[in-house]
Amino acid sequence: DAGVIQSPRHEVTEMGQEVTLRCKPISGHDYLFWYRQTMMRGLELLIYFNNNVPIDDSGMPEDRFSAKMPNASFSTLKIQPSEPRDSAVYFCASSSRPGQAGNEQFFGPGTRLTVL
Amino acid sequence: AQSVTQLDSHVSVSEGTPVLLRCNYSSSYSPSLFWYVQHPNKGLQLLLKYTSAATLVKGINGFEAEFKKSETSFHLTKPSAHMSDAAEYFCVVSDGYSSASKIIFGSGTRLSIRP
Repeated sequence: DAGVIQSPRHEVTEMGQEVTLRCKPISGHDYLFWYRQTMMRGLELLIYFNNNVPIDDSGMPEDRFSAKMPNASFSTLKIQPSEPRDSAVYFCASSSRPGQAGNEQFFGPGTRLTVL
Repeated sequence: AQSVTQLDSHVSVSEGTPVLLRCNYSSSYSPSLFWYVQHPNKGLQLLLKYTSAATLVKGINGFEAEFKKSETSFHLTKPSAHMSDAAEYFCVVSDGYSSASKIIFGSGTRLSIRP
């Protein structure tokens, strides 16, 4: 398996533009997570899905952020409109029954977003 | 409620000397505990995990961690540091129940290796 795939790896955009980040989880994993990592705030859980259904989006910063999972092999995180403070590395991770019996999360390589 | 505390934000050791990264946790239930490593500009990779089996857990790259319930600790160690160990390390606790929201990441410890 190729692992968790994220695209693009780097994104530079201007304030006000829409940004869409993409993730393909590991086949067979039924949980998908979106995280944001910054120097100031560390690693933050934004939202997670179970069987394509959003379960907890309490970490989503504001209405400018939205996430979808139309099928088991694809998810998007959209920021509209983007702001400079959204600059961060965004990670996608997938898992099978995370936390139970030590099932770990598998992380993608991340998307480094820079909003000018 | 669960929590995890990584006691050092930055640790610096000389190559060939032992590594100790400290992690304390709080959990109402029997926890699962993990250590992840993140190399520069990379995603997080699992080093090792504890799941109520053996208290001494061996991971990749020569790392190991010992679960000490009495001390609520899960410190990460390595006998001899290598330059390639320079990275950020995260301690993670889960209560072992089904809610994925109860997976808590520590704030991370940056490990530097001096030649």
